[in-house]
Amino acid sequence: AQKITQTQPGMFVQEKEAVTLDCTYDTSDPSYGLFWYKQPSSGEMIFLIYQGSYDQQNATEGRYSLNFQKARKSANLVISASQLGDSAMYFCAMREASGGGADGLTFGKGTHLIIQP
Amino acid sequence: NAGVTQTPKFQVLKTGQSMTLQCAQDMNHEYMSWYRQDPGMGLRLIHYSVGAGITDQGEVPNGYNVSRSTTEDFPLRLLSAAPSQTSVYFCASRPFDGAGDRQPQHFGDGTRLSIL
Repeated sequence: AQKITQTQPGMFVQEKEAVTLDCTYDTSDPSYGLFWYKQPSSGEMIFLIYQGSYDQQNATEGRYSLNFQKARKSANLVISASQLGDSAMYFCAMREASGGGADGLTFGKGTHLIIQP
Repeated sequence: NAGVTQTPKFQVLKTGQSMTLQCAQDMNHEYMSWYRQDPGMGLRLIHYSVGAGITDQGEVPNGYNVSRSTTEDFPLRLLSAAPSQTSVYFCASRPFDGAGDRQPQHFGDGTRLSIL
């Protein structure tokens, strides 16, 4: 079973609209962290936002916020007031604490977001 | 502050050739990792290291070797390149932050590798 599922392979959104990118995850570990990364066409991986499994509040970073629903095991990224520069691939990823010293992230397959003027 | 530096940016190899992808970070991070990214896929973990002298396998380690002799450097070796190893390779690092473990990974710009 996939640990990270992103069900939207591609999305088209009008500029200035809000965008929600879906992410569901699967883990039996009570301690984990969820990350969102942006990959523009130039290829680099840009960290956007983090949510810890024990965090009481949803994470926010500027125009990015995370809609964290722990019982549903979902961690959707919300981008407010989208801009043309938001066009990119977006990846959801998870780090589980029970890796026994293992490091590294498990990634979803990504969502290709295109912002239209 | 250079961050994570990967060399080369592009490389073409013939099947059976060997090569080393270089990765260096100047942030004194304890943790370093190598990922590969194939079309339509997210990144998949190849190998990682939690400190100098300590390495371990990730999800897709076959065909790759790593070593970590210094904190700064974490090279990835392809001993006998195969077409299935055609991919974009990313190196990443992050600091160890104790119990919180909230630190994101910082990625290099990637190496695009083609095996003919």
